[in-house]
Amino acid sequence: DGGITQSPKYLFRKEGQNVTLSCEQNLNHDAMYWYRQDPGQGLRLIYYSQIVNDFQKGDIAEGYSVSREKKESFPLTVTSAQKNPTAFYLCASSIPGETQYFGPGTRLLVL
Amino acid sequence: SQQGEEDPQALSIQEGENATMNCSYKTSINNLQWYRQNSGRGLVHLILIRSNEREKHSGRLRVTLDTSKKSSSLLITASRAADTASYFCATDAAGRRALTFGSGTRLQVQP
Repeated sequence: DGGITQSPKYLFRKEGQNVTLSCEQNLNHDAMYWYRQDPGQGLRLIYYSQIVNDFQKGDIAEGYSVSREKKESFPLTVTSAQKNPTAFYLCASSIPGETQYFGPGTRLLVL
Repeated sequence: SQQGEEDPQALSIQEGENATMNCSYKTSINNLQWYRQNSGRGLVHLILIRSNEREKHSGRLRVTLDTSKKSSSLLITASRAADTASYFCATDAAGRRALTFGSGTRLQVQP
């Protein structure tokens, strides 16, 4: 899991609620990423950021939002617009174009 | 989009045997990376191979890359029960600043 932490490990969301997943890294990496993984599937890119105060939509950004105010932090908000949020969420960081290092993940469940 | 596709989807072998997993992709790449994921955990980086490289080794792991066929293979020699996991290939494609993952190969090593 390297120098990337994600919290919480489990998160429960009620209908209509926004929830925020935390991702912090101490690897001094410029680039950070959020992926979603559904059971038995590979990872799909939600958002990524190559530098502070800049981020780009990935393949499945609808219903999600991010911010990148600090180099170390890249929180992901799952909004009420995301109708099927139950999944395993993985954060990663890297030097752009190099190996990505992943956090331990957050499992989001809907009540 | 799932650019990298692994084959087979599932593989069951006996301890001590070799395991080979294949990955095919569609577009030009800068590099290709292999990851391992134990059930419910984050991804662990195994090997990164660049587009101008043909083969890389790391311990019991051997990765090959054939850019003319747009394919890669991961060989695990003398497998152990602890190698039981899902293995993913991920491509860093030219013009895309994030990885694209395949759906993975689930490896079961029987003791």
